[in-house]
Amino acid sequence: DTGVSQNPRHKITKRGQNVTFRCDPISEHNRLYWYRQTLGQGPEFLTYFQNEAQLEKSRLLSDRFSAERPKGSFSTLEIQRTEQGDSAMYLCASSLSTWGLAGGRYNEQFFGPGTRLTVL
Amino acid sequence: ELKVEQNPLFLSMQEGKNYTIYCNYSTTSDRLYWYRQDPGKSLESLFVLLSNGAVKQEGRLMASLDTKARLSTLHITAAVHDLSATYFCAVVTSGTYKYIFGTGTRLKVLA
Repeated sequence: DTGVSQNPRHKITKRGQNVTFRCDPISEHNRLYWYRQTLGQGPEFLTYFQNEAQLEKSRLLSDRFSAERPKGSFSTLEIQRTEQGDSAMYLCASSLSTWGLAGGRYNEQFFGPGTRLTVL
Repeated sequence: ELKVEQNPLFLSMQEGKNYTIYCNYSTTSDRLYWYRQDPGKSLESLFVLLSNGAVKQEGRLMASLDTKARLSTLHITAAVHDLSATYFCAVVTSGTYKYIFGTGTRLKVLA
């Protein structure tokens, strides 16, 4: 399977603990995005990487959230001192920014299965 | 800041009927995407609309984009039960990489 993968798929933690999620994008994709989705809502943008550079970060993202993409391949999202309000599905997506290779579907995002976080 | 609104939020329709979902956005954008999400699943890309007047069709779904009106439509023709899902549009503000998703339209097709 060459799609986007995310681990773990489910995470239950106690309030105040730190958690880290991993995303492995489609191998040739240079762009990677993190989103958060709560029940009944659309995905909410968290941050964006082009290769290893973090180019955009939501103002909604508090200092407790940090993301990395150290070698321009996989990415990690860490939440420190988790709160109950952090309970959500965390989605990762990747895309290819090259016009010629995208078959006209420029920057089409492919989503992973998500990591469901429950903070008790 | 860019706002994206979809309507209706909920849609229950009979098999065989036609209907249209609307996606309005508040600021200039030249790219719009449509996604489908089944319950408990992740998002699946449906359409990529890159220019004013773009129209894309696949099966019973057809999407169009009017950048001057800041409006995209997703038209469903002769609905079937398998189309039951939540549909999201997403817009990228010009000059950014930030995708803003609409609230979603939950579609239920009744047999």
